[in-house]
Amino acid sequence: DGGITQSPKYLFRKEGQNVTLSCEQNLNHDAMYWYRQDPGQGLRLIYYSQIVNDFQKGDIAEGYSVSREKKESFPLTVTSAQKNPTAFYLCASSIVWGDHEQYFGPGTRLTVT
Amino acid sequence: GESVGLHLPTLSVQEGDNSIINCAYSNSASDYFIWYKQESGKGPQFIIDIRSNMDKRQGQRVTVLLNKTVKHLSLQIAATQPGDSAVYFCAENTKDSNYQLIWGAGTKLIIKP
Repeated sequence: DGGITQSPKYLFRKEGQNVTLSCEQNLNHDAMYWYRQDPGQGLRLIYYSQIVNDFQKGDIAEGYSVSREKKESFPLTVTSAQKNPTAFYLCASSIVWGDHEQYFGPGTRLTVT
Repeated sequence: GESVGLHLPTLSVQEGDNSIINCAYSNSASDYFIWYKQESGKGPQFIIDIRSNMDKRQGQRVTVLLNKTVKHLSLQIAATQPGDSAVYFCAENTKDSNYQLIWGAGTKLIIKP
């Protein structure tokens, strides 16, 4: 089965700790994305990667970091510098950058207390 | 689209009736308009798209209408079923935004039995 997996589904952390969210795809897609979703709002782009070993900041990159060392993997680190990290995080991929048909993982709900 | 805060617009529809979900967009230069469906606790799923030079596109049980004069987009779902319960997002895609998807805040569709 092809698709995108995110783990874990729920994550709890103490304030001041960095945390890394996993995202893996076996769709052979070049482009990958991280979005943040807050209640009652649309998705906001954190980072994106057009191709392996490349990534770019999205609209709300402050306090986050990513890497794209392998085509199938695009982990997101939420650092202690992110002022309001509690949110639902969604990873997506598309065949190429700019393709508006994006495939999403099931999401990770991060709660920081 | 702009954030509507914590309260999503909600549409309640009787099972078997048709649903019409509306979206206003802001960028006249958008190339594509896209509808996504997000079921509770899951990532969004692509439904249908429409290119800016079209005014209507039909899929399986769904129709998207584009009115460029008033910058309005709608998604019509025929014979609404319980499985259609979800939050529906419209999104825009334009060269001006480097093909980044710009997401609306979403509309929650509730199906009444």
